[in-house]
Amino acid sequence: QKEVEQNSGPLSVPEGAIASLNCTYSDRGSQSFFWYRQYSGKSPELIMFIYSNGDKEDGRFTAQLNKASQYVSLLIRDSQPSDSATYLCAARLSGGYNKLIFGAGTRLAVHP
Amino acid sequence: DAGVTQSPTHLIKTRGQQVTLRCSPKSGHDTVSWYQQALGQGPQFIFQYYEEEERQRGNFPDRFSGHQFPNYSSELNVNALLLGDSALYLCASSPRGQNTGELFFGEGSRLTVL
Repeated sequence: QKEVEQNSGPLSVPEGAIASLNCTYSDRGSQSFFWYRQYSGKSPELIMFIYSNGDKEDGRFTAQLNKASQYVSLLIRDSQPSDSATYLCAARLSGGYNKLIFGAGTRLAVHP
Repeated sequence: DAGVTQSPTHLIKTRGQQVTLRCSPKSGHDTVSWYQQALGQGPQFIFQYYEEEERQRGNFPDRFSGHQFPNYSSELNVNALLLGDSALYLCASSPRGQNTGELFFGEGSRLTVL
């Protein structure tokens, strides 16, 4: 069973702080990794994806990938109350066809 | 440019009934995937359609079936509904030739089985 694991949280951070969200995956052949944000009752919204080892930055968000450790993370700088949501990590499995395996998500709460 | 659209947004059924959910992919997209998201869980892959054929299937029983039409829209059918089928059903599309794995989700159809 190929899995993606996330801490369910909640992760509580003060406004303006850095939120760090982590994810591990079991399929060593996974090719790319995705972070989605999901507000309560809404559908997932893509934040960013990464497929090379190292860091990838997009505005306040930085994704980090370490394939040797099978570890993906998302950093959110200058966290805002509007960032409060569930963050889903997903891995695209080897074999293609854009099939994503999702973790259960980490709930982030940013308090003023 | 319309995104992925799904209908209906909410529906209530009773055990044993059948349901059909519909999805229109984003313009320029030809691949449609369906996911089931139970409360408090991440989306679970049901199946994917490309060129009107089921290309991949997740670990779901045969009660779950689908179809893709020539205009790339898709339907998800669930027969003999169980209480455990209550979930948010998400349709996601991806564009022709795209190889990054990026999916664009619709707003979902929330199914409640009583």
